[in-house]
Amino acid sequence: DVKVTQSSRYLVKRTGEKVFLECVQDMDHENMFWYRQDPGLGLRLIYFSYDVKMKEKGDIPEGYSVSREKKERFSLILESASTNQTSMYLCASTPFRELPTGELFFGEGSRLTVL
Amino acid sequence: AQSVTQLDSHVSVSEGTPVLLRCNYSSSYSPSLFWYVQHPNKGLQLLLKYTSAATLVKGINGFEAEFKKSETSFHLTKPSAHMSDAAEYFCVVSPADLYSGAGSYQLTFGKGTKLSVIP
Repeated sequence: DVKVTQSSRYLVKRTGEKVFLECVQDMDHENMFWYRQDPGLGLRLIYFSYDVKMKEKGDIPEGYSVSREKKERFSLILESASTNQTSMYLCASTPFRELPTGELFFGEGSRLTVL
Repeated sequence: AQSVTQLDSHVSVSEGTPVLLRCNYSSSYSPSLFWYVQHPNKGLQLLLKYTSAATLVKGINGFEAEFKKSETSFHLTKPSAHMSDAAEYFCVVSPADLYSGAGSYQLTFGKGTKLSVIP
């Protein structure tokens, strides 16, 4: 089974702190994604990566950056956390050959609260 | 351009009765369509997908969906609800035949329908 692991399930941070959200997948997938999920808004794409060191902006990249130094790991970075970034963050992956009809494999999410 | 509308934000059914979760889409291209389920405090899991093969698609846990091009709909159904079906469901659209490289990958998620099952 594909496993996408988000190391932090719950985080509480203060405004202005730098926040790292880590995601690791164990199936050698080329593509990895970070989504933000808010009630009544569904999932919105923040960034995705289709290869090591490659990244593309999604629909709401402002206030976020990403890092993909190794194929299995995709990190989301909040340079200076703000209260409006309080949300559930979901990481997903899929093989390159599956684009755009393939299944996304999701982690269990990281719930971030910014005080 | 593409969009997806889930017509109900919340659906409540009694255990053993049918489930209908409604989804309408718009797409400039022949779409792929998906339904994902999210149980509380979990990530999303694929229920089923339509990719221009059979219009009636069967998924896991007894769910199925029918692609109706004339109605631009992809409603999710199940004949008999079970308590374990209580979750949030997301309809998703992707431009299946518009593939010009990784940078064009675009999924559009609906806002979700929360299904409650009453014992």
